[in-house]
Amino acid sequence: DAKTTQPNSMESNEEEPVHLPCNHSTISGTDYIHWYRQLPSQGPEYVIHGLTSNVNNRMASLAIAEDRKSSTLILHRATLRDAAVYYCILRDDSGAGSYQLTFGKGTKLSVIP
Amino acid sequence: DTGVSQDPRHKITKRGQNVTFRCDPISEHNRLYWYRQTLGQGPEFLTYFQNEAQLEKSRLLSDRFSAERPKGSFSTLEIQRTEQGDSAMYLCASSLGQIPAEGYTFGSGTRLTVV
Repeated sequence: DAKTTQPNSMESNEEEPVHLPCNHSTISGTDYIHWYRQLPSQGPEYVIHGLTSNVNNRMASLAIAEDRKSSTLILHRATLRDAAVYYCILRDDSGAGSYQLTFGKGTKLSVIP
Repeated sequence: DTGVSQDPRHKITKRGQNVTFRCDPISEHNRLYWYRQTLGQGPEFLTYFQNEAQLEKSRLLSDRFSAERPKGSFSTLEIQRTEQGDSAMYLCASSLGQIPAEGYTFGSGTRLTVV
């Protein structure tokens, strides 16, 4: 599986936007970029995913670089509930394999009141 | 539907004992995954089922581990002769189809401590 690189930790002030970066220089053409987050003492939670175009949903936005070698998860207004570990995951959705998710260590986001 | 349920939430066992965990996925989800997560690490894939068929097993799943999903509904993960290295959070996830639009739904996990 192609690997991703994320900062170990980031801080944000409450109610400010947060930009969580992810580098994936070895991404292949069939790799989708998935983001999950894990709140303390809970299982991971789906956030968003995309292939080439920027994506928006009720939780966040995903900005994908034109060369697809990096992406940024954007939380528009951080709340205390957004404090979690955020995982950027590449997965080949081309039709072969188990579609398992390969998690790295992620970025631990702290939100300061 | 209340999501993916895992039972128990916590389990403390003595080394050498057998333990069994249960996962109840979202009822219409045909795919079920087991992951293991140790402290400070991301979850690691163990195995997955499509309906009742176990289609892939990670090399992390030693012969002391066995998983079942009878009738394609709930699943159990059994660890025989537990070792201290088995201490971890065991997570279950389910999905409808291979590429669910809303991603996989994870349970809150079973935390196993082997003493």
